Amino acid sequence: DAGVTQSPTHLIKTRGQHVTLRCSPISGHKSVSWYQQVLGQGPQFIFQYYEKEERGRGNFPDRFSARQFPNYSSELNVNALLLGDSALYLCASLGQSGSNTIYFGEGSWLTVV
Amino acid sequence: EDQVTQSPEALRLQEGESSSLNCSYTVSGLRGLFWYRQDPGKGPEFLFTLYSAGEEKEKERLKATLTKKESFLHITAPKPEDSATYLCASLNSGYSTLTFGKGTMLLVSP
Repeated sequence: DAGVTQSPTHLIKTRGQHVTLRCSPISGHKSVSWYQQVLGQGPQFIFQYYEKEERGRGNFPDRFSARQFPNYSSELNVNALLLGDSALYLCASLGQSGSNTIYFGEGSWLTVV
Repeated sequence: EDQVTQSPEALRLQEGESSSLNCSYTVSGLRGLFWYRQDPGKGPEFLFTLYSAGEEKEKERLKATLTKKESFLHITAPKPEDSATYLCASLNSGYSTLTFGKGTMLLVSP
């Protein structure tokens, strides 16, 4: 079975631009979460979606948004990019609301210049 | 607000030299304590989930334990391939979101 897949793996954007990151959860998993990990820190929670509904939002500005599609894949969008948005963006997949095994993808490395 | 603190920040061991990593947590109702391994430039790899004080889980050279305030990741006779950053995280009492510590960077020298 395929694990959590994320795309793109690496990308470079200019300040002020917009970026879209994509995630496909493990087959059969209905919940997706997004995390941001800056160098030297642990991942920080951004959003959680379950059955296409937002279930949680971390302490991130409104420039960050996300959505989940009927096939349970998800997109993370970041507008008006800042240098400080440079980070590894991770997608996590879990089987059902309350499931306690959470798997991560390999992440999307975003560099803002 | 949930808080997770890991120590030490970095640990250097000789091959075969056993040691422990610490994760202390302050949470309002622990639903689970997770351990992950993260290699440079990669996503976190799931290792263990612990649910209640006294619980222990093992995988190869790794053993995770849980008390009411701390979790330990014991590494027995480590090998160079165990070198990685080890992350600890608590499962949020509301939705299934994780609060991570900053990690312990482990380097095992041959």
